[in-house]
Amino acid sequence: DAGVIQSPRHEVTEMGQEVTLRCKPISGHDYLFWYRQTMMRGLELLIYFNNNVPIDDSGMPEDRFSAKMPNASFSTLKIQPSEPRDSAVYFCATAGFPDTIYFGEGSWLTVV
Amino acid sequence: QQQVKQSPQSLIVQKGGISIINCAYENTAFDYFPWYQQFPGKGPALLIAIRPDVSEKKEGRFTISFNKSAKQFSLHIMDSQPGDSATYFCAASSSSGGYQKVTFGIGTKLQVIP
Repeated sequence: DAGVIQSPRHEVTEMGQEVTLRCKPISGHDYLFWYRQTMMRGLELLIYFNNNVPIDDSGMPEDRFSAKMPNASFSTLKIQPSEPRDSAVYFCATAGFPDTIYFGEGSWLTVV
Repeated sequence: QQQVKQSPQSLIVQKGGISIINCAYENTAFDYFPWYQQFPGKGPALLIAIRPDVSEKKEGRFTISFNKSAKQFSLHIMDSQPGDSATYFCAASSSSGGYQKVTFGIGTKLQVIP
């Protein structure tokens, strides 16, 4: 199994631009999570899906952030417009119920 | 509100020494306590986990000690090696009522020096 696949691995963009991060989950995992990691706040859960349905988006920082999961094989996290404070590592992770979360290698975002 | 408090945030240990990372939780509904290990440039990966029906779990050089009454748990790395240098996250979740979110600690950056 290839694990959770994220793209792009690195993204540098200018403030105000739209950023789209992509995730291919592990086949058969019903749960998909988007996390953000920063030095100051550690790992923050932004949103999670169960069977492609968003369950809890209370961690999404503001309306500039949106996430979709159109099918079991694909999810996106979009930031529009991006701001320098969005610079972080964004992880997609998946889980089969109920225990182990499998993380991707992350998308390193820098907004200048 | 930080539901899982982790300390220290950084730790330097000599090769062969014991690394100890502590975590405390508030939510008594938590019933699953995993530890994740993250190497630079990688995502976190499950290292070891414990449920509150036991007070200790050991896997190789890694041991979790769990104190339910104090609502604390800790990771001990025996005979620490330079290859153990990574960031370690404790976490907690509850299985009651179906799937619940995993709450992570802030992380501890461990450096093992030769």
